[in-house]
Amino acid sequence: DTEVTQTPKHLVMGMTNKKSLKCEQHMGHRAMYWYKQKAKKPPELMFVYSYEKLSINESVPSRFSPECPNSSLLNLHLHALQPEDSALYLCASSQGQGLNEQFFGPGTRLTVL
Amino acid sequence: SQQGEEDPQALSIQEGENATMNCSYKTSINNLQWYRQNSGRGLVHLILIRSNEREKHSGRLRVTLDTSKKSSSLLITASRAADTASYFCATDAASGGYNKLIFGAGTRLAVHP
Repeated sequence: DTEVTQTPKHLVMGMTNKKSLKCEQHMGHRAMYWYKQKAKKPPELMFVYSYEKLSINESVPSRFSPECPNSSLLNLHLHALQPEDSALYLCASSQGQGLNEQFFGPGTRLTVL
Repeated sequence: SQQGEEDPQALSIQEGENATMNCSYKTSINNLQWYRQNSGRGLVHLILIRSNEREKHSGRLRVTLDTSKKSSSLLITASRAADTASYFCATDAASGGYNKLIFGAGTRLAVHP
């Protein structure tokens, strides 16, 4: 199984809502990533987990809270988001961190009203 | 900050023609990767070239790397309408003892039947 799955595909939320994005991979990869991508822009790294520990936080606002319950799952908890947080959120995984090819999920299209 | 810059930003060609995209970067790298993204979807890894390699082929793809000029190019030969997508180069960068990928701005390729 060489697939990274993400749920939901689309999410619309108000600024006071709490929601979570989920990501799953069964390739035995030990590094997992969250990226944010705005229209016509490249993906921007948010967080990296390596062996289930947070290794990189790219100074992301605390309204985004990552969680890695086990080596196959990665969550992104959202709370009190702003309209400018509307974007495509991509999850990726790789065998090791940083230098290996990354496998991306299809993304969650988030709209904050 | 972006490590890789790509040109052109957009490229429009006819089916059967070749497409060349260029990527420049600023600091030394371990490897350089190319990814493809269909509109609003996840990224797909195309090819990885290591810093000690000069050229690599995969099917209709040819990637070159010139570390002295800090630049790479992606050539797609005999393009097809299905090659229409955005193409990103990605280079590794160190962050607090870990490695991460930084994506270039991307080239939007349109292949017309």
